[in-house]
Amino acid sequence: EDQVTQSPEALRLQEGESSSLNCSYTVSGLRGLFWYRQDPGKGPEFLFTLYSAGEEKEKERLKATLTKKESFLHITAPKPEDSATYLCAVQAGRGADGLTFGKGTHLIIQP
Amino acid sequence: NAGVTQTPKFRVLKTGQSMTLLCAQDMNHEYMYWYRQDPGMGLRLIHYSVGEGTTAKGEVPDGYNVSRLKKQNFLLGLESAAPSQTSVYFCASKRGQNEKLFFGSGTQLSVL
Repeated sequence: EDQVTQSPEALRLQEGESSSLNCSYTVSGLRGLFWYRQDPGKGPEFLFTLYSAGEEKEKERLKATLTKKESFLHITAPKPEDSATYLCAVQAGRGADGLTFGKGTHLIIQP
Repeated sequence: NAGVTQTPKFRVLKTGQSMTLLCAQDMNHEYMYWYRQDPGMGLRLIHYSVGEGTTAKGEVPDGYNVSRLKKQNFLLGLESAAPSQTSVYFCASKRGQNEKLFFGSGTQLSVL
């Protein structure tokens, strides 16, 4: 059974204080690892897809990395507008079965 | 493009009532999904479809039925609602097997 575990569950940072969110996974045959951002009352919004160990992707203050067992979402010099819940998900198996999601990390950036 | 549109946005039901949630996408995507999101549980897959006329069960299918009569629409039905079905429901779609999901804005359902 595919499993995705995110840590920490919640994180409170000061504006400009860099940190990392962790996503550890157990799957048979990883086809892709996805990061999403979810704001209150809205649907998840796509951020990144990583397909193989060693791959990295960046977008503004966010950088996602992937190893064979986990992924990190690094947040550099965050701003209050980066406050959201960040979701990690894996695509395994036949690829059509949908993503398996972690429970998310609730990130708060204080001004 | 509107993307993925869900209706209604909010609904309150009494135990035993039935209802249908509608999901429509205008991106010509083959794959469509219904998830539910509960506090502390994350997003869990209910049912999905890999093309018009097809449906399959996900992780938590009991108490729900689905239909995909048209490629752009995916309906989620509750025949006899139960309080345990109180949740936020999200529809999502994607173009290909290993591609990203596009989500709708969700339906907040309360069953009293």
